[in-house]
Amino acid sequence: KQEVTQIPAALSVPEGENLVLNCSFTDSAIYNLQWFRQDPGKGLTSLLLIQSSQREQTSGRLNASLDKSSGRSTLYIAASQPGDSATYLCAVRANQAGTALIFGKGTTLSVSS
Amino acid sequence: GAVVSQHPSWVICKSGTSVKIECRSLDFQATTMFWYRQFPKQSLMLMATSNEGSKATYEQGVEKDKFLINHASLTLSTLTVTSAHPEDSSFYICSARAWTYNEQFFGPGTRLTVL
Repeated sequence: KQEVTQIPAALSVPEGENLVLNCSFTDSAIYNLQWFRQDPGKGLTSLLLIQSSQREQTSGRLNASLDKSSGRSTLYIAASQPGDSATYLCAVRANQAGTALIFGKGTTLSVSS
Repeated sequence: GAVVSQHPSWVICKSGTSVKIECRSLDFQATTMFWYRQFPKQSLMLMATSNEGSKATYEQGVEKDKFLINHASLTLSTLTVTSAHPEDSSFYICSARAWTYNEQFFGPGTRLTVL
């Protein structure tokens, strides 16, 4: 059964720092991997989606990498801002038709000004 | 991206009553819909997968008689929490996927509070 782990569980940084969030998964037979942002009490905002054949995706200050063989992904946030404070969730989809995304427990990020 | 809506966005009910949550894909036909549950400070846990016109597949530990899922059309799935109890209080999120999309699109969630 696929398990997704995110480290660290929580992170506090001052504004302007570059930071890395880690995600690992136990079964490397994935179809894709997705990073989401969730604000308290709110739904999910998709940040980046990486297909299994890709190694990274970039959007603005965000860069996500994928090493499928080792079961790892990282989300890099450059020049962090207070508005980046949220919980970041990593999720993977198995390489089977009709399967759902399986989520990690998330990393709660707090960026202080 | 494709849009998924949920209704209601929040609901408060008395213990023992049933609550229905709707999930709609607004601009695409969702061949598959998923229901997740999220407890405070926890991650999303998959409850069930439903394909249009067929019975839902429930994850281990999820009571199918308590959480009734109906995916009667390509744009609508409903989750009914029957005889709700305070421990059912949670954030319920649906997502939908079409054959033509690589990704799941998520609704905004429904906050259920059972008194």
